[in-house]
Amino acid sequence: AQSVTQPDIHITVSEGASLELRCNYSYGATPYLFWYVQSPGQGLQLLLKYFSGDTLVQGIKGFEAEFKRSQSSFNLRKPSVHWSDAAEYFCAVGGFTGGGNKLTFGTGTQLKVEL
Amino acid sequence: DAEITQSPRHKITETGRQVTLACHQTWNHNNMFWYRQDLGHGLRLIHYSYGVQDTNKGEVSDGYSVSRSNTEDLPLTLESAASSQTSVYFCASSGAGANTGELFFGEGSRLTVL
Repeated sequence: AQSVTQPDIHITVSEGASLELRCNYSYGATPYLFWYVQSPGQGLQLLLKYFSGDTLVQGIKGFEAEFKRSQSSFNLRKPSVHWSDAAEYFCAVGGFTGGGNKLTFGTGTQLKVEL
Repeated sequence: DAEITQSPRHKITETGRQVTLACHQTWNHNNMFWYRQDLGHGLRLIHYSYGVQDTNKGEVSDGYSVSRSNTEDLPLTLESAASSQTSVYFCASSGAGANTGELFFGEGSRLTVL
């Protein structure tokens, strides 16, 4: 069965500081990996995704993530956080099986940005 | 622009009542999904569909049902609402084929069961 662990429930960083959100996954084959962001009262927006190829992927809003197969990790990073980055972040894993691509999500990390 | 819409956005109902949440997408996507979001649990998959007349159970399907009679719609029905089904429900869709996989989400339906 596929699963995702986000070990940090809450993270607080100062504006301008760097950020790393952790994600570990379990999946029986080559995974598709995603990071989504959710602002309060909103749906989820895709930040970035990894299917294959270069293990360092760039996303929107200056975010990047690195796929490390040996560590089963897909950590999200940003070199300098802005106050508008405060939101909840979800890591997800899936694959193309049975004609579709259902995703399993982690429990999320709530990011607070101190001014 | 293509979009995915959910209705109602907010609903309060009573225990034992049947409730249907609507989901309509104009992406022409084959794949549609229903998730529920609860504090401490993230998003959990309820049901999903990979095409017309196809439906599948997710990890938390008990007490829910879906039907897919056309490409655009995947209504979620709570047969007899329970307080444990108080949650925020998200519908999502994605295109078919490998190297897709990105889910497009609706804005959610907040359901309260009293």
